[in-house]
Amino acid sequence: EPEVTQTPSHQVTQMGQEVILRCVPISNHLYFYWYRQILGQKVEFLVSFYNNEISEKSEIFDDQFSVERPDGSNFTLKIRSTKLEDSAMYFCASSEKRGSYNEQFFGPGTRLTVL
Amino acid sequence: GIQVEQSPPDLILQEGANSTLRCNFSDSVNNLQWFHQNPWGQLINLFYIPSGTKQNGRLSATTVATERYSLLYISSSQTTDSGVYFCAVKDRDDKIIFGKGTRLHILP
Repeated sequence: EPEVTQTPSHQVTQMGQEVILRCVPISNHLYFYWYRQILGQKVEFLVSFYNNEISEKSEIFDDQFSVERPDGSNFTLKIRSTKLEDSAMYFCASSEKRGSYNEQFFGPGTRLTVL
Repeated sequence: GIQVEQSPPDLILQEGANSTLRCNFSDSVNNLQWFHQNPWGQLINLFYIPSGTKQNGRLSATTVATERYSLLYISSSQTTDSGVYFCAVKDRDDKIIFGKGTRLHILP
């Protein structure tokens, strides 16, 4: 069964450094998402992406964040200058179509630790 | 926006026991998913179940959309079932809204 994959599984970085989290969505999917979960809290929506553009973003997704689909298979989340509060699990998701009736398939996540 | 409430917040069971986890949601939805987050934080897709009943091994789920709830059943629990179980629904803006989860501890 096709699945969303994410690398690395765990990333440790120093405050102020740039990080890129990578995701490989399911191959025929066109809609891509990032979610974040701070330790002990709910999973929260960050951003959705379609046709090489951001469709929607949350208040969390400020200028420090950017997303990109650099080639036909990868979908990345970049944090330009990491802060301690960026430490969290980051989940990528993809779906074939948009809308209520379509399942979003989630990757296992990347644990980001900012020291 | 849509509210997703899960109960109980915590559940401790002996290995071999059965459990029922509940998810209530505040508005009608056409999209509901259950996830398992293992102790390493990884999210595992369990069920996409906007309505009806599905089964996968020892796990099954039922969603009654008209009454705005879903149930996740775990039978013959194993220690590997430990973790947090999340219910999530999709809002009108295509975002997935997660509940706070049920933390399940299975004791050997």
